[in-house]
Amino acid sequence: GDSVTQTEGQVALSEEDFLTIHCNYSASGYPALFWYVQYPGEGPQFLFRASRDKEKGSSRGFEATYDKGTTSFHLRKASVQESDSAVYYCALGDGTGNYKYVFGAGTRLKVIA
Amino acid sequence: DMKVTQMPRYLIKRMGENVLLECGQDMSHETMYWYRQDPGLGLQLIYISYDVDSNSEGDIPKGYRVSRKKREHFSLILDSAKTNQTSVYFCASSPGHQDTQYFGPGTRLLVL
Repeated sequence: GDSVTQTEGQVALSEEDFLTIHCNYSASGYPALFWYVQYPGEGPQFLFRASRDKEKGSSRGFEATYDKGTTSFHLRKASVQESDSAVYYCALGDGTGNYKYVFGAGTRLKVIA
Repeated sequence: DMKVTQMPRYLIKRMGENVLLECGQDMSHETMYWYRQDPGLGLQLIYISYDVDSNSEGDIPKGYRVSRKKREHFSLILDSAKTNQTSVYFCASSPGHQDTQYFGPGTRLLVL
């Protein structure tokens, strides 16, 4: 079945550091790829998506590029802030016609001021 | 205002009791979802609903059932709850295939 693998556990950075959270997927068909962010006590919030090869998604300074060749959708941000501290989820929307989504295990980002 | 609501937000039950989790959305989305979230496992899909009375098992449906009698309302039912069903449950809705999912705030369930 489809799967998503992302950077495990926690990433700890200082403010203004560069962020990369890795996301690789395995899927049939042509999935859509997503990043969601979750703050404590809340549900996941949509960050952005991409649906075709080489398409870049972006929002709030975060960006990722759909790469079908390497089956990746890595999340990057040039300069993180303390307010970016949250759990980030990479997800895919099934590419074979059903309405399922598969989420990665989540990566906790902690930004120290 | 696009919103998914969940009730209750916190719930404590004893093993063997029945549990009803409720979800509502005001966006007229046809498709709705129930997930559970456990540390290190991310979000696992329990059930999908494609519209009223049109439901499909997700990846971990055992021990759960759902009901959708109105488009804006989707319930998750645990008949005779078990301790391993202690988790945070999220409801979501989506306007279409491979589209954005809108999540509710979650229900934190503790089964003793």
